[in-house]
Amino acid sequence: NAGVMQNPRHLVRRRGQEARLRCSPMKGHSHVYWYRQLPEEGLKFMVYLQKENIIDESGMPKERFSAEFPKEGPSILRIQQVVRGDSAAYFCASSPPRRGPSTDTQYFGPGTRLTVL
Amino acid sequence: DAKTTQPTSMDCAEGRAANLPCNHSTISGNEYVYWYRQIHSQGPQYIIHGLKNNETNEMASLIITEDRKSSTLILPHATLRDTAVYYCIVRAENDYKLSFGAGTTVTVRA
Repeated sequence: NAGVMQNPRHLVRRRGQEARLRCSPMKGHSHVYWYRQLPEEGLKFMVYLQKENIIDESGMPKERFSAEFPKEGPSILRIQQVVRGDSAAYFCASSPPRRGPSTDTQYFGPGTRLTVL
Repeated sequence: DAKTTQPTSMDCAEGRAANLPCNHSTISGNEYVYWYRQIHSQGPQYIIHGLKNNETNEMASLIITEDRKSSTLILPHATLRDTAVYYCIVRAENDYKLSFGAGTTVTVRA
């Protein structure tokens, strides 16, 4: 009964490099959400994906950030040409197919802590 | 566009009940009250949610006032491991975004 899995748990990148964060949803869950928590701030919604579809990316920065959730494999949050301001904890959550709020509670993973040097 | 108001912090004694208040005076009829907590350096953990009726599960109880303008999360027997930031979130039935405010930092003391 594994929960949401994220890897790596810690990622260090130098400015200008690329960061790839992976999220495997809970078994039976087909919806994935990414949130970002900047230091000393609250969690902010970034993007909502279903298999092979981006449903809402209104919280994603317009440049350098992209997300995907392929038919097979984990969801990937990709940050190109990282800058120091990208240093944050990135959390993934998953939920089962939506049938109403009682069945689509989001369950979070442990997060990936990105440090940009 | 905060929809909830929570105290910044609170202390409680180990073994006692912890009562965490949340104000959501502008809540709409189709909006649920959700509670999550975040233990230091971990991902948010779902606790409980409700619409109108009081709810209870193995972690906590949720008491919602009749007018739905406020609610209280009750941890019946707080332990040191319950020390965390607790978030009260109002969420509409078709809304998938969770809006986390500052929450209440709860410190359980021995």
